[in-house]
Amino acid sequence: DIQMTQSPSTLSASVGDRVTITCRASQSIINWLAWYQQKPGKAPKLLIYKASSLHSGVPSRFSGSGSGTEFTLTISSLQSDDFATYYCQQYNSHSWTFGQGTKVEIK
Amino acid sequence: EVQVVESGGGLVQPGRSLRLSCAVSGFTFDDYAMHWVRQVPGKGLEWVSGINWRSDSIGYADSVKGRFTISRDNAKNSLYLQMNSLRTEDTALYYCAKGGGPGIAAAGIPVDYWGQGTLVTVSS
Repeated sequence: DIQMTQSPSTLSASVGDRVTITCRASQSIINWLAWYQQKPGKAPKLLIYKASSLHSGVPSRFSGSGSGTEFTLTISSLQSDDFATYYCQQYNSHSWTFGQGTKVEIK
Repeated sequence: EVQVVESGGGLVQPGRSLRLSCAVSGFTFDDYAMHWVRQVPGKGLEWVSGINWRSDSIGYADSVKGRFTISRDNAKNSLYLQMNSLRTEDTALYYCAKGGGPGIAAAGIPVDYWGQGTLVTVSS
């Protein structure tokens, strides 16, 4: 299986900060990468697909980039509603894998 | 409105079996792949299995391969997960999720709607 490694595991930030989360794949996944946001007690929500495509209804402060094995999720100006856990996920093959998650906390 | 509702979770002893179901509405079920994703409370997400629109392309995580079987009944708008030889490490909240298209790999949106999950507890 393709392994996905996210960094950092935890990130402390303030409202208005620019935040970047990195995801690395153990082999090339071209651009078949998604990013999800999850809040406690809730199902995940899709933010980004195909590495850089913004899902319908997702605020434009979220953006994704990368290809091959290195990917990033950027929140341009962190809002109070953005404190949550973020997961990357590859869907290049018939066996999908998630990163271990990055918790964005209030500084 | 898209609705995804899981059922069938509960407490089961190690080595026993359990069948999860997922009932959907609000979209044309047989146009889309479907997936199961699980999450140990307080931990990360783990993709379990996916099935394409016509059930001829199926994938499993290595951790469940040979023990779990995914299936769907397009006439009943339902997805299933047969879980055999359950282990304590299978304890988790199991989510059913709608694919963004008919296939399960390398195409468009992976999943776009999720249920609220059904809890499976494997314990003696």
